[in-house]
Amino acid sequence: GAVVSQHPSWVICKSGTSVKIECRSLDFQATTMFWYRQFPKQSLMLMATSNEGSKATYEQGVEKDKFLINHASLTLSTLTVTSAHPEDSSFYICSATGGPSDEQFFGPGTRLTVL
Amino acid sequence: SQKIEQNSEALNIQEGKTATLTCNYTNYSPAYLQWYRQDPGRGPVFLLLIRENEKEKRKERLKVTFDTTLKQSLFHITASQPADSATYLCALGRRSNTGKLIFGQGTTLQVKP
Repeated sequence: GAVVSQHPSWVICKSGTSVKIECRSLDFQATTMFWYRQFPKQSLMLMATSNEGSKATYEQGVEKDKFLINHASLTLSTLTVTSAHPEDSSFYICSATGGPSDEQFFGPGTRLTVL
Repeated sequence: SQKIEQNSEALNIQEGKTATLTCNYTNYSPAYLQWYRQDPGRGPVFLLLIRENEKEKRKERLKVTFDTTLKQSLFHITASQPADSATYLCALGRRSNTGKLIFGQGTTLQVKP
């Protein structure tokens, strides 16, 4: 089946630093990747849509200069949280789609804690 | 505004019984609906996708129905097992090439032995 990986699985950083999260589709070419964040006991909130070779499309209320997304290849997208602050602490999850199916496959998530 | 509702209260059932989870939506016309399982601290795992022109879909012990008139999807797990205990999310997608999904808040299922 389709496998999506994320790295790192968890990260703790100091306030003001930047953190990069990688999302890879391991056995298929992802034409589109999505980035979500999830707070405890809440549902997934879409942050941005990322298409290979083009600029990401951000959802309303998501700061594009704060959350930098790069989709350099059909198997890799990265999310960089710049100048992270404690309120950015959350569970970040990527997903990917590819081929004719609309099925979307998720990575295992990255737990970010900003001290 | 668009709204997706899943039972916010946890569903507790006995092992062997059929679990039925509900997903209702308003102000939305989905082309397809997906169901996911999410365990604590993990990303969602894809289970089933059903399209607007499909009434029912099955996969092993799972069955999904989709009623666009009622704006509702039902998700059934037959012969439930304690290992089925998790949060189940429904997500709706539009007829477009963006692939964007809107998620419900999920229903937590607890299957007791």
